[in-house]
Amino acid sequence: AQSVTQLDSHVSVSEGTPVLLRCNYSSSYSPSLFWYVQHPNKGLQLLLKYTSAATLVKGINGFEAEFKKSETSFHLTKPSAHMSDAAEYFCVVSDDSGGGADGLTFGKGTHLIIQP
Amino acid sequence: DGGITQSPKYLFRKEGQNVTLSCEQNLNHDAMYWYRQDPGQGLRLIYYSQIVNDFQKGDIAEGYSVSREKKESFPLTVTSAQKNPTAFYLCASSMSIYGYTFGSGTRLTVV
Repeated sequence: AQSVTQLDSHVSVSEGTPVLLRCNYSSSYSPSLFWYVQHPNKGLQLLLKYTSAATLVKGINGFEAEFKKSETSFHLTKPSAHMSDAAEYFCVVSDDSGGGADGLTFGKGTHLIIQP
Repeated sequence: DGGITQSPKYLFRKEGQNVTLSCEQNLNHDAMYWYRQDPGQGLRLIYYSQIVNDFQKGDIAEGYSVSREKKESFPLTVTSAQKNPTAFYLCASSMSIYGYTFGSGTRLTVV
């Protein structure tokens, strides 16, 4: 069995300050981990993914995430927030290298608010 | 309990056949979405619907069709025109611009 916990339902930061969205997971296997973003009135967009290669993963739009097995975490960060980053973010775990057979588990989402 | 029901969990299709994947929600959500996932890739949007009797194409709509005759239902038909239909299909719904609920998915295999 696997699970994903996004520790914050809402995160509010000022424009130009760092962003940290927290995600903890549990998995019986070596997991694949993903972060997705959903902007208003649009579908999900893949930000980045970890599939047992480098533990520090760089994604689009300046986001990155670090896989820490000892802490079972996969937190999403960005050095400097931009107004366009305001969106809903989802952490996802898969236990079959991202093939998506029966293994996708989504977190409940974190709503990122950017203050001007 | 409210939620999204996708059926079947596993589906096999012969080449040249159309097949329909079911997605039903009892959350009173206005918007519904269909995604496809292939090994090693992220989710890609096929179609979405913001209200009943209206839907829009996503990034990979070719070879697929949908209908939204009822708020609760958003079935996806994989037609014979879809060249590579073997994949994992995920349905989702949302009430507003935030707050997704996901189904458990359907794995379609062409035999």
